[in-house]
Amino acid sequence: GAVVSQHPSRVICKSGTSVKIECRSLDFQATTMFWYRQFPKQSLMLMATSNEGSKATYEQGVEKDKFLINHASLTLSTLTVTSAHPEDSSFYICSASTGVGNSPLHFGNGTRLTVT
Amino acid sequence: GEDVEQSLFLSVREGDSSVINCTYTDSSSTYLYWYKQEPGAGLQLLTYIFSNMDMKQDQRLTVLLNKKDKHLSLRIADTQTGDSAIYFCAENPALNFGNEKLTFGTGTRLTIIP
Repeated sequence: GAVVSQHPSRVICKSGTSVKIECRSLDFQATTMFWYRQFPKQSLMLMATSNEGSKATYEQGVEKDKFLINHASLTLSTLTVTSAHPEDSSFYICSASTGVGNSPLHFGNGTRLTVT
Repeated sequence: GEDVEQSLFLSVREGDSSVINCTYTDSSSTYLYWYKQEPGAGLQLLTYIFSNMDMKQDQRLTVLLNKKDKHLSLRIADTQTGDSAIYFCAENPALNFGNEKLTFGTGTRLTIIP
């Protein structure tokens, strides 16, 4: 089945620094990737839709200058949390789609970000 | 906008059946999904159902869909300790699997009682 790899699984950084999270589709080409954020004991909140070769589409209330998304190839999308602050601490999950009507969405294992 | 709701908690004795319920509001939903999330992990797709189906069974999992009432359920037969997790239902209004801008429910935490 389709495999989505997300790295790192856990990161701790100091306030004011930037953190990059990678999402890779290992055995298929992903025209679209989605980035979610999950607060403790809450559901997933869609942050943005990442389309290969074009600008990401951000959901309402998500700062595009703070959460930079780059989908430079059909197998890789990155989310960079810029100038991270403690309130950015969360669990970030990506998912990937082939963009064709053949296979449902598959998720990465998530990245636990802690900003101190 | 779309809204997907679930009960937050469910406790079941080992060996019994678990039934996790979900209601949604978007009548245009075409695919409905069940995902499992273990602590500190991402989401694992368990099963999905197309909106023109009433029931789908896959080993210990049975999905029932009542489109009229916009009600989805997941039944886990012979619940085991390894089934302890949070279960999310999600709906997709798209006509195919491409463009899965899913709306997730609040998640149901399933606890197994020995």
